[in-house]
Amino acid sequence: DTAVSQTPKYLVTQMGNDKSIKCEQNLGHDTMYWYKQDSKKFLKIMFSYNNKELIINETVPNRFSPKSPDKAHLNLHINSLELGDSAVYFCASRIAGVLTGELFFGEGSRLTVL
Amino acid sequence: AQSVTQLGSHVSVSEGALVLLRCNYSSSVPPYLFWYVQYPNQGLQLLLKYTSAATLVKGINGFEAEFKKSETSFHLTKPSAHMSDAAEYFCAANPIYSGGYQKVTFGTGTKLQVIP
Repeated sequence: DTAVSQTPKYLVTQMGNDKSIKCEQNLGHDTMYWYKQDSKKFLKIMFSYNNKELIINETVPNRFSPKSPDKAHLNLHINSLELGDSAVYFCASRIAGVLTGELFFGEGSRLTVL
Repeated sequence: AQSVTQLGSHVSVSEGALVLLRCNYSSSVPPYLFWYVQYPNQGLQLLLKYTSAATLVKGINGFEAEFKKSETSFHLTKPSAHMSDAAEYFCAANPIYSGGYQKVTFGTGTKLQVIP
C-alpha cells in the first residue's frame, strides 16, 4: 500500500493547456508539499499545506494553484502551460510540527510540455 | 536564508572503494540536517538525519554522516561502495527556528557512479 501516491505518473501536453496532478497520502500526516525537480535534478519547494491551510507559497507563478480538499490530499493545477514547466513534480508529506521529521515522497509526476 | 551546498555534482568511485559525498550548510545556527537518496525514476527516501543528539549518525545501507559544527559540514560516507549505491544523493536542511514552518531546503544533489 503506497504511502504517498501521485497521479498521473507521466503527462505530455501542449503549451497553453491546463493540467492537474493529484496526490494522496495514507500516513496520517498533517503537512504536505509540492516540490519541482528540474532537468538538472534541482529540487525546489513550491507550496506547503498544513491541515488544508496554505503555509508556504514560494515565488511560483499564479498559473500554479494548489488545492487541499482534506489533509490527506493535495492537488496541483497548472494553467496555460509553458515549456519551462516541464519537470518532475513531487508530492511529499511530513508529520506536522516536528522539524526533525522525515519527508515521505511520492514517485513523482513527469510533466512534458511540447 | 538557509542554504545547503553540495560540492561535486558527479562523484565516481570503484566498487569497494570509500564513498565520500560533501555537504555544507550556511546558517549561523546549525539546522537539522538530512541525507536523502533518489534512485532512477523514483522519489527521494531518507538515508539518515542529524537531530543534534549525536554528531555521528548511522543510516540505512551502511551509510553514515558526521556533523562538524566547526566546519559547518555534514558529509556522507560509506566504507565500501556497492553497485546498488549508484543514485542521486541530496543533502537537506531544516532550520531549528523556522517560525513554525517546516521548510526543508535541498542541496543541488550529487550523482554517485559506481564503477565495477
